Amino acid sequence: DADVTQTPRNRITKTGKRIMLECSQTKGHDRMYWYRQDPGLGLQLIYYSFDVKDINKGEISDGYSVSRQAQAKFSLSLESAIPNQTALYFCATSDSSATGRYNEQFFGPGTRLTVL
Amino acid sequence: QKEVEQNSGPLSVPEGAIASLNCTYSDRGSQSFFWYRQYSGKSPELIMSIYSNGDKEDGRFTAQLNKASQYVSLLIRDSQPSDSATYLCAVNANQAGTALIFGKGTTLSVSS
Repeated sequence: DADVTQTPRNRITKTGKRIMLECSQTKGHDRMYWYRQDPGLGLQLIYYSFDVKDINKGEISDGYSVSRQAQAKFSLSLESAIPNQTALYFCATSDSSATGRYNEQFFGPGTRLTVL
Repeated sequence: QKEVEQNSGPLSVPEGAIASLNCTYSDRGSQSFFWYRQYSGKSPELIMSIYSNGDKEDGRFTAQLNKASQYVSLLIRDSQPSDSATYLCAVNANQAGTALIFGKGTTLSVSS
């Protein structure tokens, strides 16, 4: 089945460490997104990419960076992790050519990140 | 600031009843509307998309859209305990893209 995968699924790290979260998809979608979810705050967009050469900041991009290595791969980096980046992180994809199903997004399983 | 508003709940309904979930949005230019279901600790799962005014039915789920009132709703008929989850409303501003704006979700509890 075409899918969205995220690695790692769980990660505990310390303040100041650099960490990378990876997302891969076999759906053939061109667009990819990174969200974080905190209890009571809902899903917030960190970065999104409409193709390999197009990267855009979302509403909460400070402290994060991304890399779109290929159409199927989109990585999120925390250069120097801090405790308030403890959250559930989701990758999502969408297909810009999906006629009649515009902007439907499909989510990966998530990465639970804890920064001590 | 574009916003999507939902009552946080919990909304409690007995098994077999109709659950009604509501969502309002601030951007009058919004064109795409979605309902996601999220179980605790899991990722959001797309259950309905709606793009034009009126009703759209899929199995036990019906999405209703009223652009004039900036209102979208989800009805779940014959509610089951397995429907107990948080339901997220999401809105997209235009066909060309930009990412979804999510509401904070409504928690539904279906008692047997």
